[in-house]
Amino acid sequence: VPLVESGGGLVQPGRSLRLSCIGSGFTFGDYAMSWFRQAPGKGLEWLAFIRSKAYGGTTEYAASVKGRFTISRDDSRSIAYLQMNSLKTEDTALYFCCRGGIRIPKPDYWGQGTQVTVSS
Amino acid sequence: DIQMTQSPSSLSASVGDRVTITCRASQGIRNDLGWYQLEPGKAPKRLIYEASSLQIGVPSRFSGSGSGTEFTLTISSLQPEDFATYYCLQHNSYPPSFGGGTKVEIK
Repeated sequence: VPLVESGGGLVQPGRSLRLSCIGSGFTFGDYAMSWFRQAPGKGLEWLAFIRSKAYGGTTEYAASVKGRFTISRDDSRSIAYLQMNSLKTEDTALYFCCRGGIRIPKPDYWGQGTQVTVSS
Repeated sequence: DIQMTQSPSSLSASVGDRVTITCRASQGIRNDLGWYQLEPGKAPKRLIYEASSLQIGVPSRFSGSGSGTEFTLTISSLQPEDFATYYCLQHNSYPPSFGGGTKVEIK
């Protein structure tokens, strides 16, 4: 169940970046999608969750990113997005997308991640 | 928020050893827990879901147990490809939270 993230890179503090996650090999619209990250030398952190359209397509966010990050999906293209605004140096991390869950993230498959570095 | 306390944070073991990793939840989470394996440069891999169910395709040397607040991941006979970092994840209530990770290294 491949999930492939893209869109990472080097960005200055205060700027924006949009990550993409394309899914293949499954009916993308049937699944909730999530974003997680792992900062250098740190553990894993959940960021955002979007339910499938069948469950309203509603979203949830971690407190650390609420108001700055937005998760969305385009089921016609099998893509999930993470729009990241007002980036901070502490947002530097490897960002992963995952599939799974209904009410809450319950990831079964993950992508390999895309690196985001926030630095001046 | 639910805190997940994972132990040990690291361990050294030999091929063939039995390895046990523990996660403790700060409040009861029924069996709403998964175990994940992370290796650099690879997609994280789910090993166990619902605390004790083996993910399809995962070798049977991996097993999970527990319910409520105490959970265990066991590798019955460590193989070379098992040297990695392992995390538990609770998905009982928001925000979903991970244990701090256990790095399994070669002795």
